[in-house]
Amino acid sequence: DSGVTQTPKHLITATGQRVTLRCSPRSGDLSVYWYQQSLDQGLQFLIQYYNGEERAKGNILERFSAQQFPDLHSELNLSSLELGDSALYFCASSVNDGGEQFFGPGTRLTVL
Amino acid sequence: GENVEQHPSTLSVQEGDSAVIKCTYSDSASNYFPWYKQELGKRPQLIIDIRSNVGEKKDQRIAVTLNKTAKHFSLHITETQPEDSAVYFCAATLGEGNQFYFGTGTSLTVIP
Repeated sequence: DSGVTQTPKHLITATGQRVTLRCSPRSGDLSVYWYQQSLDQGLQFLIQYYNGEERAKGNILERFSAQQFPDLHSELNLSSLELGDSALYFCASSVNDGGEQFFGPGTRLTVL
Repeated sequence: GENVEQHPSTLSVQEGDSAVIKCTYSDSASNYFPWYKQELGKRPQLIIDIRSNVGEKKDQRIAVTLNKTAKHFSLHITETQPEDSAVYFCAATLGEGNQFYFGTGTSLTVIP
């Protein structure tokens, strides 16, 4: 157990819908990262927050947004969902900006 | 931005043999290179990492080497065991304020 928690574990929804994925970092970690992993694909970096501020942005679609709250938990919002958004979404955290990342168990999103 | 290439994509070895996975990176300013192991359906977990001021690092049966001149780094697993079977990802980052760039993964199968 890395200490990073993600909810929900599984999510099944329909095209066009909107969902919110939640991540709680390890105690004391200031950075949160979001990744998308499609079937048989690598880890695609979406976005990073550090102490509440957006720090780095990767290949995140405009339909997706994220934020980090004062208690340092983070939410990833996915809207106007498409079939191709079905994937495993991982959250990771690190103590500072950069350095070793600890991954959560992931949220498996299925869009029907 | 950084570009990380990983080879091979699949690797099968006999139990007890060694396995080597190689990654190349494009940005000479990258300074941190972690390796993650992801078992089927589970989260990626850091197994070893190396920083740019070190040429080699070893942890029991696992070692990583870094050649900054050639811009490549490798994961070496000796005396492989069936439980080493997993997907291995390399990554590179320029450090603070910069994302991790992951390789596409190597699926390692250790045949008993």
